[in-house]
Amino acid sequence: DIQMTQSPSTLSASVGDRVTITCRASQSITRWSAWYQQKPGKAPKLLIYKASTLESGVPSRFSGGGSGTEFTLTISSLQPDDFATYYCQQYHTYPWTFGQGTKVEVK
Amino acid sequence: QVQLVQSGAEVKKPGASVKVSCKASGYSFSNYHITWVRQAIGQGFEWMGWMNPNSDNTGYAQKFQGRVTITRNTSISTAYMELSSLTSEDTAVYYCARIREWARDAFDIWGQGTVVIVSS
Repeated sequence: DIQMTQSPSTLSASVGDRVTITCRASQSITRWSAWYQQKPGKAPKLLIYKASTLESGVPSRFSGGGSGTEFTLTISSLQPDDFATYYCQQYHTYPWTFGQGTKVEVK
Repeated sequence: QVQLVQSGAEVKKPGASVKVSCKASGYSFSNYHITWVRQAIGQGFEWMGWMNPNSDNTGYAQKFQGRVTITRNTSISTAYMELSSLTSEDTAVYYCARIREWARDAFDIWGQGTVVIVSS
């Protein structure tokens, strides 16, 4: 199975900060990756697909990048609604797998 | 609006089976693949399998092969996930999700989740 390793596991930040989360795949997944946001007790929400394409309705402060084995999710100016847990996912090879999550918390 | 609505929480004994439903609305059910994912409390996600509602073709993660069955009833735009031989390690929130556009794509619409507790 392809392992997806996110870093950091927890990120403490303030409103207005620029935040970057990294996800590394154990083998190349070209650009078949996605990022999701999850808040407590809620289902995940798709933010980014195909490594860098912003899902419709998602604020433009979110951006994704990378290819091959290294991917990033950047929030250009953290807003109060952005404190949540973020997950990367690969859909290149079955079984599709997720990273362990990065919790963005208030500093 | 486009949504997936799942059935309610379940409590099962070890060795039993559970069947969770996922009703689609606001879009053409047959045109998008459905997938199932689970999340143990406080943990990450485990992908379980997918289904093409148009053809009834399915694919399962090897970990769940032989224990999971994904089916559908197109007349009521509903997908089902049945998991058998339950153990305490199957206690989790189970989500259905719509696969975005292609058979291999991100998950753009999620159900609200169904809590399944396995306990004697």
